[in-house]
Amino acid sequence: EIVVTQSPATLSVSPGERATLSCRASQGVNTNLAWYQRRPGQAPRLLIYGSSTRSTGIPARFSGSGSGTEFTLTISSLQSEDFAVYYCQQYNNWPRTFGQGTKVEIK
Amino acid sequence: EVQLVESGGGLVQPGRSLRLSCTASGFTFGDYSMSWFRQAPGKGLDWVGFIRSKAYGGTTEYAASVKGRFTVSRDDSTSIAYLQMNSLKTEDTAVYYCGRDLGGLVGATDLWGQGTLITVSS
Repeated sequence: EIVVTQSPATLSVSPGERATLSCRASQGVNTNLAWYQRRPGQAPRLLIYGSSTRSTGIPARFSGSGSGTEFTLTISSLQSEDFAVYYCQQYNNWPRTFGQGTKVEIK
Repeated sequence: EVQLVESGGGLVQPGRSLRLSCTASGFTFGDYSMSWFRQAPGKGLDWVGFIRSKAYGGTTEYAASVKGRFTVSRDDSTSIAYLQMNSLKTEDTAVYYCGRDLGGLVGATDLWGQGTLITVSS
């Protein structure tokens, strides 16, 4: 099983600032990695797939990069609605596995 | 409206069975592979199981923690995916979500239901 590790666990950021979230896979997953946003009380929302492709309707301030084992989600200028928990997930191998999540909170 | 709605959750005793349904609307269900996920209280997201669309063979995949106990199936005529859960354990307590794969060989989930709570307790 591929272990996916996210860092940091919590990120404190001021509105308007940039947030950088990391995701590491225990073995290479090519670019078969997705990022999801989870707001309280809501279903997960797909932000990025294929490491860097924004899902339909996702604002351009969200960007993803990386391949192999190291991946990054960048939120260029945090808006109030972006304070949430973010999960990365690899879908290169079975079983599909998630990271433990990064909580982005207001500083 | 494009949506997924889970149903069938509730309180169940350890060792018993339960079947969840995921009813799809607003899109051609048979064209998509479907997944089940869960989130236990205070924990992160876990992938549970998966069923391919008929175009990709309709075969299934499972997490090790549920293999042999849980079964994913689908009925394309009614646009419903099922999760049959047998021999339930207390550690299966979670909110269960169904999700739609993006399509093709992209295993990201672009549409999620709101979830249904399963509590396994005596």
